[in-house]
Amino acid sequence: GAVVSQHPSWVICKSGTSVKIECRSLDFQATTMFWYRQFPKQSLMLMATSNEGSKATYEQGVEKDKFLINHASLTLSTLTVTSAHPEDSSFYICSVRSPEPGETQYFGPGTRLTVL
Amino acid sequence: AQSVAQPEDQVNVAEGNPLTVKCTYSVSGNPYLFWYVQYPNRGLQFLLKYITGDNLVKGSYGFEAEFNKSQTSFHLKKPSALVSDSALYFCAWGRVNTDKLIFGTGTRLQVFP
Repeated sequence: GAVVSQHPSWVICKSGTSVKIECRSLDFQATTMFWYRQFPKQSLMLMATSNEGSKATYEQGVEKDKFLINHASLTLSTLTVTSAHPEDSSFYICSVRSPEPGETQYFGPGTRLTVL
Repeated sequence: AQSVAQPEDQVNVAEGNPLTVKCTYSVSGNPYLFWYVQYPNRGLQFLLKYITGDNLVKGSYGFEAEFNKSQTSFHLKKPSALVSDSALYFCAWGRVNTDKLIFGTGTRLQVFP
């Protein structure tokens, strides 16, 4: 399977600041990456699909001006949480879609964001 | 709405006993079905998937799952549970030729020594 990294693994910030999270595909070029959000003891919620060289596709109810996604290269997608508030505190996980048949996604280790 | 359901929030099993984590689907057509495992404060690890063909799918760490079309189920099984199998397990489905995976609510597996 694919190897995916995320940076940072955890971040604490003050309310009103912006935080950037990086997702890297380490062993193949990923035209499509995904960003998920997971609240404690809950399932993953797809936030957006990140497409290399084009605008991200956001799920219904996700504010695109709040969660900025940039997929500037085939190995890197970034998620920026702008003007973060305590309710944005969550576990953010990215994934890449593998080129193998069957729409398999491989996930990064996640980033824990805490907004004070 | 098309979805997967994991009816059990938690499954407890003694080490060495067989384990089953249940998943049922309500999806039209022929879905892709997946199992992922999540350890605390970690991302998801791919266990196995069903695309087509043999209904019994074997995956990582000795896990397997059986695609049962008549019962619309894709239960995850392992013949002999290990304490290290204790984790959160997610069933997911993906529609053919789309990018999205839709996850179930997760089942916490606790294996006791």
